This record gives sequence, C-alpha cells and structure tokens, in this order.
Amino acid sequence: KQEVTQIPAALSVPEGENLVLNCSFTDSAIYNLQWFRQDPGKGLTSLLLIQSSQREQTSGRLNASLDKSSGRSTLYIAASQPGDSATYLCAVWSGSEKLVFGKGTKLTVNP
Amino acid sequence: DTAVSQTPKYLVTQMGNDKSIKCEQNLGHDTMYWYKQDSKKFLKIMFSYNNKELIINETVPNRFSPKSPDKAHLNLHINSLELGDSAVYFCASSQGGSERAETQYFGPGTRLLVL
Repeated sequence: KQEVTQIPAALSVPEGENLVLNCSFTDSAIYNLQWFRQDPGKGLTSLLLIQSSQREQTSGRLNASLDKSSGRSTLYIAASQPGDSATYLCAVWSGSEKLVFGKGTKLTVNP
Repeated sequence: DTAVSQTPKYLVTQMGNDKSIKCEQNLGHDTMYWYKQDSKKFLKIMFSYNNKELIINETVPNRFSPKSPDKAHLNLHINSLELGDSAVYFCASSQGGSERAETQYFGPGTRLLVL
C-alpha cells in the first residue's frame, strides 16, 4: 500500500529565503508525482508534474526533483514571497489507478 | 471560464438528511474524481469515473452514490448523513485514465457540515 509522507508539517521563513519541501513515498513503482498548492478555503492548484522517467521539472521559481529509486521528491522554492504562503501537497500516481496524497506542508512566508 | 466547478460551495444540514453535490468540468476531460478532505486536511480519493464508467470505488459507505450523466458531470449523492461526513469534498478531472496519469484539475470544494 502506497504511503506518502511530507516533512516538515509546517514551515515559517522570512521573505526572500530559498526553501525545500520534502516528500517521500513507500512504493517506488509510480507513474508520476505531482506537487499541488492549496490556499485556505480553496481548491488545489497543480504546480508541477514529474513523470516517472524524469528527474526534475521547473516552473518559474519552482523546481521539483524526483528520485524514484529512493522514493523521494523535493520542491525547491527560490526567493520566497508572502504570496507563496499556502499548503503544499505532494501526490503520487501508482498502479492502483489513483493519486495518493501526503498530508501537506503548511508554508508561511513572513514579509 | 471556470474549469471545474462545484455546487454548492457550502452545505449545512441535519443528521439523517439526504443531500447532493454537483460537479461540472468544461475541459473536455475523460476522467472525473471525488475526493474527501477531512478535518486533519488529509485528502483521499472516493470515486473515479472514466467516460461515465466507474473505475475506482474506495472503501466508502454505500450511503455515498456517485452519478455521471455525461462525461462532463459527476454528481455525489449522500443518504442519511452522519456527523462524520462533515468534510470538504473536492471534485477533479483529468484527460485520460490511469495509463496516462495526467495532471488533475480540482474544483473549489464543497464544505459540508452535518449538525
């Protein structure tokens, strides 16, 4: 059974800092891994999707890496801004035909 | 130009009532999903439909019944509501089924509170 863990559960940083969010999964047989952002009271917004054959994906100040063999992914956010404050969710799509989510990391970027 | 929409946004009701939540997507996607996010913010899949056919049915009480009248709509009907059903319910859609495993697009959520 696939399990996804995200560390830390919460993170508070000053504006401008570079930061890394971590995600680990127990079953390395995945199709892809996705990072989402969830704002309070809102739905999820897809940030990056990494296929199992890829090592990383970049979008603006975001860079996500995937090490399938070790069951790990990181989301790197460069030059953080207060607008980046949200909960970041990692999810993997494995052979069970469904996305399995972690519990998220709540990020606060202080001005 | 909303991609995935849900109604209602908020739903407050008494125990024992029956309620429905509607979801529509205008992205032309083949697959739609229902997720439940509990009070601890843990998001879990409930159902998945591909071209109006049920492909995932997690361990969900049979009081929950999804219905897909066409591939752009996936509604969720809940009978005999219980306190533990209080949660945020998210609808999502994606192009293709599990073989393509593409990005899922989420609706804004329906906040259900059972009193």
